[in-house]
Amino acid sequence: DAKTTQPTSMDCAEGRAANLPCNHSTISGNEYVYWYRQIHSQGPQYIIHGLKNNETNEMASLIITEDRKSSTLILPHATLRDTAVYYCIVRVGSNFGNEKLTFGTGTRLTIIP
Amino acid sequence: AAGVIQSPRHLIKEKRETATLKCYPIPRHDTVYWYQQGPGQDPQFLISFYEKMQSDKGSIPDRFSAQQFSDYHSELNMSSLELGDSALYFCASNNRGVNEKLFFGSGTQLSVL
Repeated sequence: DAKTTQPTSMDCAEGRAANLPCNHSTISGNEYVYWYRQIHSQGPQYIIHGLKNNETNEMASLIITEDRKSSTLILPHATLRDTAVYYCIVRVGSNFGNEKLTFGTGTRLTIIP
Repeated sequence: AAGVIQSPRHLIKEKRETATLKCYPIPRHDTVYWYQQGPGQDPQFLISFYEKMQSDKGSIPDRFSAQQFSDYHSELNMSSLELGDSALYFCASNNRGVNEKLFFGSGTQLSVL
């Protein structure tokens, strides 16, 4: 699976959009971008995933650049409960199927009141 | 909605003792995954089971073993415990057959003294 690079930490004001970047310059054509988050000491939680088209669900939006070398997770209206470590994971397969995940060093997002 | 249930929530053991962690997946989920998260570290995949058979193996020490039972619950057995085994152990499950996303439990905090 391709390696990802994320900033170690970020702050965002409550109510503003939080934009979390991820670089995956060695991504292969059949690899998807997944985002998970982990709120302090809880189990990781799936957020969203995509291949090349932008995706949106009830939690967030995922913007993937045309060359697929980077992506941005957008939390449109951040709340204090969004404070967590966010992991960008690149892996083969669009279907969840076998979820042997490789977590890298994510971004610690802190929402400021 | 039912979630992944792990027990116990906390466990304290001494070096060289054994420990058994239990995981009850969401009903109708056929796959169970175990992850280990050391203090200040990211989750690391240990092992997974699909339909009661071992599916994938990650960085699981030889002192650890696991299995999935006929009712799909899983147990992680840890022997000759070492101080370095102190960690949060997460269980996750999904229905691989229908490509369902992964759900994590709340984890078992193991402390080895």
